[in-house]
Amino acid sequence: GAVVSQHPSWVICKSGTSVKIECRSLDFQATTMFWYRQFPKQSLMLMATSNEGSKATYEQGVEKDKFLINHASLTLSTLTVTSAHPEDSSFYICSASGRGYLTYNEQFFGPGTRLTVL
Amino acid sequence: GEDVEQSLFLSVREGDSSVINCTYTDSSSTYLYWYKQEPGAGLQLLTYIFSNMDMKQDQRLTVLLNKKDKHLSLRIADTQTGDSAIYFCAESIGNYGQNFVFGPGTRLSVLP
Repeated sequence: GAVVSQHPSWVICKSGTSVKIECRSLDFQATTMFWYRQFPKQSLMLMATSNEGSKATYEQGVEKDKFLINHASLTLSTLTVTSAHPEDSSFYICSASGRGYLTYNEQFFGPGTRLTVL
Repeated sequence: GEDVEQSLFLSVREGDSSVINCTYTDSSSTYLYWYKQEPGAGLQLLTYIFSNMDMKQDQRLTVLLNKKDKHLSLRIADTQTGDSAIYFCAESIGNYGQNFVFGPGTRLSVLP
């Protein structure tokens, strides 16, 4: 149980276009979803935290107008990278946590989405 | 702010034990975690330990927690080539322990 999926797993786009990444909790209700960014050979950096039905909380230095996060339901959160540029190329990982099903504050991670901006 | 440190590289021979160390700064951490990341993949939870425990064993994995020194270790017994990956230590912080701070990851290489 507690599976989190991401779609797409890999995307290549042209500079200036927008890309949407979906994160789904498949078998539990995710009251909170997290979006991380991972540069090559580096650790995960938290970008934002989103609770279902409310606005995301962004970490310092993360542009909320560039990285749009929507958490409209208990099983789906989306991250849209607007006007993507090559420096936005990275591995984006989402995670989800929920009450009730989980006995502790574990985050279940998706498999990640590799974004390459040409 | 919160900080989690790990050594970046570790090489061991197949069959030996591996010990990956981690230090953290936030004494209010509720849980501490070890995650494994294989190339191009997401994070897989290996094990976790509650902050009031000092040891947890799960098959080949042993986690030791020294809360006084804020030191966490992961021991992998009988290390196999399939254990080659990056191992991340993470602490949960925040009022409900809902935010995670990750270490930089330790790249474990298992030599035949």
